[in-house]
Amino acid sequence: AQTVTQSQPEMSVQEAETVTLSCTYDTSESDYYLFWYKQPPSRQMILVIRQEAYKQQNATENRFSVNFQKAAKSFSLKISDSQLGDAAMYFCAYRSAYGGGGADGLTFGKGTHLIIQP
Amino acid sequence: SAVISQKPSRDICQRGTSLTIQCQVDSQVTMMFWYRQQPGQSLTLIATANQGSEATYESGFVIDKFPISRPNLTFSTLTVSNMSPEDSSIYLCSAARVNYGYTFGSGTRLTVV
Repeated sequence: AQTVTQSQPEMSVQEAETVTLSCTYDTSESDYYLFWYKQPPSRQMILVIRQEAYKQQNATENRFSVNFQKAAKSFSLKISDSQLGDAAMYFCAYRSAYGGGGADGLTFGKGTHLIIQP
Repeated sequence: SAVISQKPSRDICQRGTSLTIQCQVDSQVTMMFWYRQQPGQSLTLIATANQGSEATYESGFVIDKFPISRPNLTFSTLTVSNMSPEDSSIYLCSAARVNYGYTFGSGTRLTVV
């Protein structure tokens, strides 16, 4: 079974600074998808960014970018120009590319609580 | 991406009773899922809701405790049966279409007293 590890329970950053959230995963599969989700106090899970394992180019979405290291099984999220609205729990998630049963669902890490200091 | 309506948003229930949570998607989706998020914890997949057939449960979750229905491509229910305080959690519905992202409902906060 796949596992996702987020080793930083909490991170704090000054507004307008850059912060990197770490995520590692364990899998024997060669094709899969990786995600970062944001969960503010409203509980709504919001997709931040998605990466396909077969793509070597790192995904970017405005101020959010990832550093995907497939060999190291690492998938970190960089948030540039941090804003107060970025404060939330951030979850890294894995999904197999080989469907069927629970393999279509997401496996989540334990999350990182991001605090933005004004 | 699909928009999900999940209800109730919260409930307080007596132990030994059951609660059914509804999930309505605004468009046809390939896959629907139910997750549990215990207080201060991450999300754990309960089951994949299969249209017209029995749900596929993850290890540690059983149909008698968490019966799931999915009568069509846009609607699913999760029942939490014979509740105990340990069932107090947030329950989230999720939906996905092939090559699209996963969308989540806003969750149901369940407190069992």
